[in-house]
Formats: sequence, structure tokens, C-alpha cells
Amino acid sequence: DGGITQSPKYLFRKEGQNVTLSCEQNLNHDAMYWYRQDPGQGLRLIYYSQIVNDFQKGDIAEGYSVSREKKESFPLTVTSAQKNPTAFYLCASSTEQGWGLDTQYFGPGTRLTVL
Amino acid sequence: KQEVTQIPAALSVPEGENLVLNCSFTDSAIYNLQWFRQDPGKGLTSLLLIQSSQREQTSGRLNASLDKSSGRSTLYIAASQPGDSATYLCAVLSGSARQLTFGSGTQLTVLP
Repeated sequence: DGGITQSPKYLFRKEGQNVTLSCEQNLNHDAMYWYRQDPGQGLRLIYYSQIVNDFQKGDIAEGYSVSREKKESFPLTVTSAQKNPTAFYLCASSTEQGWGLDTQYFGPGTRLTVL
Repeated sequence: KQEVTQIPAALSVPEGENLVLNCSFTDSAIYNLQWFRQDPGKGLTSLLLIQSSQREQTSGRLNASLDKSSGRSTLYIAASQPGDSATYLCAVLSGSARQLTFGSGTQLTVLP
């Protein structure tokens, strides 16, 4: 089955800790994305990567870091510098099809709670 | 900067009603507009994608329209069912980085 997996489904963090969220895809997509969703709000872009070993900041990158060493994997680290990390985190991937047919495929999400 | 607004934020209807969800965006230079469905605590599922050159797309009981010049889209759901209960998100693909900008969603409840 092709798709995107995220782990863990639920994650609890103590104040001052760094935590890493996993995202893996077997769709052979070049681009991958991390979004944050707060209650009653849409998704906001944290980081994205269009190719291996390259990534760019999105709208709310402060307090987060990423790596893209393999095409299939795009882990997100939530650092202690992120002041309000409690949220639902979604990973997505896409392939640029041109002609406005680009769409993103989403994983099931990780809910992060700060204790 | 692209901004996407969805109205209403929440909607409750009895089963069988036809309904319309609204989406507006500020920059008409888009590649496409998409409607997604999100069930509670889950990821997003793409429902319909309208390319910038198209006016509408249909899938089963769903019909989405796009008026790029006015920056508006509507999602029409015919003969609503309790299984349609979910949050519906509108998103536009735009910019040199081809980023998706999302609205805050409409939470739909269809009552049996």
C-alpha cells in the first residue's frame, strides 16, 4: 500500500525537551511538507523540502528543525525554543505534475501535548 | 500574501438537505484550488481539485465551482448524509514556491 505514515500518533513532551516526529512516504514523491494545525484553524506551513538535502522555512519555522537525508523521510524536531508546541502536526508529500494538477497527500497526523 | 477565508465556520443541517460551503481568497494568481475533508483527529483527504483554467469539478454528490476573478469558490453537497459530517477545508496553490494556503475550515454536522 502506498502512502504516508506518521509516528507516534500521540506524543507528550515535558517543558525544555526536544522531541522528533517521524514522517515516511513510499509514494516516490520529491516534495514533503510539515504543517501545524491548532483547534478551529487551518493548516500553517512549518517547513518544506522539494528535494533531498534541501529544505526551506515556511510561515512558522521558529522553534522547529528538519532534515531530509532520504527521499522517503522528513523528520521534524520540535525544540525547547518553540513556546507553544501543543498542536496537531501533519506531514504531506507531493509530486509536481504541472498544469495546476499538483495535490498533496497527507499522513494521519501526530498530536503533541506539552505537560 | 495569500489569505483564504471560509464561511460559515460551522453548519448543522438535517439529513437530505442540499448545502453550500463558501471559500474566498485574496490573490487570484493561483495554480489550483482544492477542497479537502478532515475527520476528527485524522489527516486530510482530497475531495476535488479545480485547475485555474477550470470553472467547476464534480464527484458524485459534490460539486465545486471556481470564480478566479472574484476570488471565490463554493462546494455544493447534494442530499447530505450523516456520513458527510466532517470539517471541510479549502486550499489554494499559489506563489513561486507553489505553496498551499488553507482556510480555517467549515465544520459540518448532518443530523439524522
